[in-house]
Amino acid sequence: GQQLNQSPQSMFIQEGEDVSMNCTSSSIFNTWLWYKQDPGEGPVLLIALYKAGELTSNGRLTAQFGITRKDSFLNISASIPSDVGIYFCAGRSIQGAQKLVFGQGTRLTINP
Amino acid sequence: DTEVTQTPKHLVMGMTNKKSLKCEQHMGHRAMYWYKQKAKKPPELMFVYSYEKLSINESVPSRFSPECPNSSLLNLHLHALQPEDSALYLCASSRDREGTNEKLFFGSGTQLSVL
Repeated sequence: GQQLNQSPQSMFIQEGEDVSMNCTSSSIFNTWLWYKQDPGEGPVLLIALYKAGELTSNGRLTAQFGITRKDSFLNISASIPSDVGIYFCAGRSIQGAQKLVFGQGTRLTINP
Repeated sequence: DTEVTQTPKHLVMGMTNKKSLKCEQHMGHRAMYWYKQKAKKPPELMFVYSYEKLSINESVPSRFSPECPNSSLLNLHLHALQPEDSALYLCASSRDREGTNEKLFFGSGTQLSVL
């Protein structure tokens, strides 16, 4: 089935640093969603993207829908301790639009 | 209001028990989902209800039985589970399953342990 390649798998950074993670697919997607999940909680929607080239911000978070429609990235600027968690990309391809496909997640750890 | 409420938060059950997980949303969403999530893995789709009818069953074993009593409620009935069924069970909803750009909103999950 559809697979998303999310990288990096984990990141260890200092507080205040910027963070970048991305997802790529082998097929064209028409929706990209970015979620953050804290331990024992459900994923929380951060940003939704619907058009190629779209760049959307949510506070210190910025995400873009790649021009090729096969990738997306998420940037976090000036990281703070509460940014710790697992970030998932998710998307819908043209072929399998009924199902949301998830990346494997990026685990972010921040050293104060 | 983008809240999906799940109860209970935690559940411990034996392999011979019968229990139910409950999910509720009041956003007027017409699609509701059950996902299973193992530690350090992404959520895996189990079931999708669209307009209170089961539209997707991802080959889930029959010991998991979903039910959608109305457009706001979704249940997952559990019977004769196995220890490997221990996981975080997530409910989600979206405005409409048929749309290709629908956002999914997740509940906080039920952490299930099967002994």
